[in-house]
Amino acid sequence: GQSLEQPSEVTAVEGAIVQINCTYQTSGFYGLSWYQQHDGGAPTFLSYNGLDGLEETGRFSSFLSRSDSYGYLLLQELQMKDSASYFCAVRQNYGGSQGNLIFGKGTKLSVKP
Amino acid sequence: EPEVTQTPSHQVTQMGQEVILRCVPISNHLYFYWYRQILGQKVEFLVSFYNNEISEKSEIFDDQFSVERPDGSNFTLKIRSTKLEDSAMYFCASRPRTSPGDTQYFGPGTRLTVL
Repeated sequence: GQSLEQPSEVTAVEGAIVQINCTYQTSGFYGLSWYQQHDGGAPTFLSYNGLDGLEETGRFSSFLSRSDSYGYLLLQELQMKDSASYFCAVRQNYGGSQGNLIFGKGTKLSVKP
Repeated sequence: EPEVTQTPSHQVTQMGQEVILRCVPISNHLYFYWYRQILGQKVEFLVSFYNNEISEKSEIFDDQFSVERPDGSNFTLKIRSTKLEDSAMYFCASRPRTSPGDTQYFGPGTRLTVL
């Protein structure tokens, strides 16, 4: 089976940098995705790492280390609107998988003024 | 920018009743999914759909559930006889033939409340 572990909550102040870690156990691995979900909203794709290293998209970066089964999402210059839940996700490991996602339990980020 | 849409936004039903949740995926997308999220919990995969048939389904997707693409635009999830534990937010998602990391585009969800 597949499982993902991430912290349940993180608090930071506006303008700061925060890192949300994700460790995973999978029987096959295609890459690690990150989704953002505001309260009452839909998950929104943020970033994907298929290879080791850092991917940068504006204020958000994501990192992957396949050898450590570990990744993180880095949020810089935090803004109040970044307060949301952040989920790491991997693709379901079926031979004919159509990309079904397995999500972690999510990290609730609270940004304080 | 094209979006996945879902109706209704909130559905209240009595236990044992049938409900149909509707989704309109993004028009050029080929893969469709249903997920659910029980309040305060993680998003869980239910079923994927491609080329007019189910590709994969999870343990949650038992005989009470079915999906259909009745025309070229709609994608529906039917629950035949709802149970209290079916109360959740149901998200439809779609993706094109190729997308980085199988990026999926989620709809705003339907909140299902079973009384």
